[in-house]
Amino acid sequence: NAGVTQTPKFQVLKTGQSMTLQCAQDMNHNSMYWYRQDPGMGLRLIYYSASEGTTDKGEVPNGYNVSRLNKREFSLRLESAAPSQTSVYFCASSDFLAGGSYNEQFFGPGTRLTVL
Amino acid sequence: AQSVTQLGSHVSVSEGALVLLRCNYSSSVPPYLFWYVQYPNQGLQLLLKYTSAATLVKGINGFEAEFKKSETSFHLTKPSAHMSDAAEYFCAVSINTNAGKSTFGDGTTLTVKP
Repeated sequence: NAGVTQTPKFQVLKTGQSMTLQCAQDMNHNSMYWYRQDPGMGLRLIYYSASEGTTDKGEVPNGYNVSRLNKREFSLRLESAAPSQTSVYFCASSDFLAGGSYNEQFFGPGTRLTVL
Repeated sequence: AQSVTQLGSHVSVSEGALVLLRCNYSSSVPPYLFWYVQYPNQGLQLLLKYTSAATLVKGINGFEAEFKKSETSFHLTKPSAHMSDAAEYFCAVSINTNAGKSTFGDGTTLTVKP
């Protein structure tokens, strides 16, 4: 049971290049999330997917796109990378508990992205 | 909309001393509250959570937090700090109708001095 996995762990891009960050979870969770973490700013939600086939914008969606490929996988794409997108990116998943409340989020190990 | 404020971006304590990390929340509906810990170069992992059961919540590694509705607070405490507690701590709030989305505080870095 690997939990939430992310690839790659590290990436260096040049301005204007594109790339896709991959995320997969094996906990059969319905909801998945992409965050970016910058020093002193906590975690900011980029996009989320409440269930397979749906995606919605979070707090900071500009410059990103996502795909919920199936229930397990949720990818984040940078079409034209900019230095402002240098950050650590975390994927997380969550699901409902019995009784209707959401459980905590389970996080992947992160992808450290540098855009030159 | 919900929000979280963590008071103090850096907290330093001596080994064996009390740890107190402050979190205040804002929510128009009953919230679910979480404390997460992040060790260097790792993802976040859950310390404890409040989901409207007992107001005093016990978590892993000797941490606990008390939900105080009148003060809109959910402060994290540990009676005796250990060197291994040095990490960054995040408070988060979630509500039931929001696809499980959580709003995170800016984090508090805990330093433990020998």
